[in-house]
Amino acid sequence: DVVMTQSPLSLSVTLGQPASISCRSSHSLVDSDGNTCLTWFHQRPGQSPRRLFYKVSNRDSGVPDRFSGSGSGTDFTLKISRVEAEDVGVYYCMQGTHWPRTFGQGTKVEIK
Amino acid sequence: EVQLLESGGGLVQPGGSLRLSCTASGFIFHTYGMTWVRQAPGKGLEWVSGISVSGDSTYYADSVKGRFTISRDNSQRTLYLEMNSLRAEDTAIYYCARGISAPTDWGQGTLVTVSS
Repeated sequence: DVVMTQSPLSLSVTLGQPASISCRSSHSLVDSDGNTCLTWFHQRPGQSPRRLFYKVSNRDSGVPDRFSGSGSGTDFTLKISRVEAEDVGVYYCMQGTHWPRTFGQGTKVEIK
Repeated sequence: EVQLLESGGGLVQPGGSLRLSCTASGFIFHTYGMTWVRQAPGKGLEWVSGISVSGDSTYYADSVKGRFTISRDNSQRTLYLEMNSLRAEDTAIYYCARGISAPTDWGQGTLVTVSS
């Protein structure tokens, strides 16, 4: 199985400051069509996950542009340029290239 | 508006069985692969199973292979997860989600508790 490793596992950020989460996969996520199926989700306490980005950097509707997704191959990053209070929660990466699909452990973001 | 409504969760004894359902609306159900994901109390997300648009192809996490069966009824716009030989470690909220490579929309989940 493809192992997805996120770091850090927790992040305490001052409002207005940037934050960055790394996600590394044990295998390349490039599929036979040349697509890279790396997805980012955000889960607030007590809520279902919400998709933020698909195929590494394609932002979902309604996701603020202070969020960005980047990376290639096995190394990916989610960045928040200026953290706001509503950004708290847990962020997960997930690979959708190989079966079985796998998630990272999650990164908990809190406000300092 | 896309809606996914899970049902069928509850308390079951170890070794028992449950069937979860996920009723979909707001999109053309038979054109999307579907996914089940679970989350144990206080833990992260765990991918459980996926199914193709026709139901001909199914995929499972190693932790549930041979015990769980995913299926769908496109005429009823419903996704299922048949769970047998349940264990304490299967205790979790089970979510259904639209899509199999990058799930877009998620239901609110249904809680399965395996305990004697």
